[in-house]
Amino acid sequence: NAGVTQTPKFRVLKTGQSMTLLCAQDMNHEYMYWYRQDPGMGLRLIHYSVGEGTTAKGEVPDGYNVSRLKKQNFLLGLESAAPSQTSVYFCASSSGTPNEQFFGPGTRLTVL
Amino acid sequence: GQQLNQSPQSMFIQEGEDVSMNCTSSSIFNTWLWYKQEPGEGPVLLIALYKAGELTSNGRLTAQFGITRKDSFLNISASIPSDVGIYFCAGRFNNNDMRFGAGTRLTVKP
Repeated sequence: NAGVTQTPKFRVLKTGQSMTLLCAQDMNHEYMYWYRQDPGMGLRLIHYSVGEGTTAKGEVPDGYNVSRLKKQNFLLGLESAAPSQTSVYFCASSSGTPNEQFFGPGTRLTVL
Repeated sequence: GQQLNQSPQSMFIQEGEDVSMNCTSSSIFNTWLWYKQEPGEGPVLLIALYKAGELTSNGRLTAQFGITRKDSFLNISASIPSDVGIYFCAGRFNNNDMRFGAGTRLTVKP
């Protein structure tokens, strides 16, 4: 039981490049979330999903897109990366509100 | 957006001392949560609070959901070196939207 896994662990992009972060969970959770964490700030919710095929915007959705084609996977896409998107990205999943969110280990992204 | 004010930003304490940290907000939350994050890892839930006034313990940790639903505190008693980490409060609205505090970085000196 791996819990929540994220790939890649690290990535460096140039401004304007695109990439997709993958989150996978093996706990059969309905809810999945993408957060970003910046120095001196708490985690901020980017997008979330309450079930396969559904997505919703969080607090800071601009510049990101997401897809939940399979229940176990939640993809976060950056179409045209900007230096302001340099951050650590965390994925989380839960069996449903108000249950505990389980977090992945994070992806450190640097945009030059 | 709604802000959570978490204090203190950092604490340097001696092993065995008690620790207290809190979060306040101008928004009303349905749930308050406290997480701990260690370097290179994601946050791990410590305590969840679901009702105003609720006081909940988890070992040496105690947290309370403020009566106004706009604040919460976390206490750690008799700190030990493995308590080192960053502690985050989070408030959840009645949907899945959550807001996190900026964190309290705890250092415990043996």
